[in-house]
Amino acid sequence: RKEVEQDPGPFNVPEGATVAFNCTYSNSASQSFFWYRQDCRKEPKLLMSVYSSGNEDGRFTAQLNRASQYISLLIRDSKLSDSATYLCVVKAGEYGNKLVFGAGTILRVKS
Amino acid sequence: DTGVSQDPRHKITKRGQNVTFRCDPISEHNRLYWYRQTLGQGPEFLTYFQNEAQLEKSRLLSDRFSAERPKGSFSTLEIQRTEQGDSAMYLCASSPQVGYEQYFGPGTRLTVT
Repeated sequence: RKEVEQDPGPFNVPEGATVAFNCTYSNSASQSFFWYRQDCRKEPKLLMSVYSSGNEDGRFTAQLNRASQYISLLIRDSKLSDSATYLCVVKAGEYGNKLVFGAGTILRVKS
Repeated sequence: DTGVSQDPRHKITKRGQNVTFRCDPISEHNRLYWYRQTLGQGPEFLTYFQNEAQLEKSRLLSDRFSAERPKGSFSTLEIQRTEQGDSAMYLCASSPQVGYEQYFGPGTRLTVT
């Protein structure tokens, strides 16, 4: 079983739609969680951290469910520029510095 | 530009050759990481440096792979006797001593023919 699993998609949505991605992680001891965004042939960039209480940044909302070991990302009012791969990430490793990435979920927003 | 830089951006090599990649982290960052990403997958952790000390290595880092960070600044990743399975994007990231965000460089795309 992979440490972090995501639905690869693609999710094809019209502009203005609301779309949600989920991911699950296997290590119940994991403490830190993130969503990264990766544009085609570019490096990953941090989109937002995920906190136990849930957190929101503009049109983006992240949620963590520790009991079920899943993380979600909700994007409201999708824009064409949101088209990218969204990577679910869990921090791990002996020093807590290793990032474990899911394979990513592809989002395509169409006009 | 004060971000993470990597050189070269692209490398094509023949199977069996050795290749070396360089990463220059953001100047105040004492933590440096190497990841490898293949098509359709997320980045996979290879190794982690704190200053010049290599503190963690993945099982993915076979004995053909070696990474160094001799002065705690730039780092090199060498692959000896390259194989076609080594074809991937090699990403370097750095982070400050305090804080968690890892900033990624643009990557070196390796193609082994």
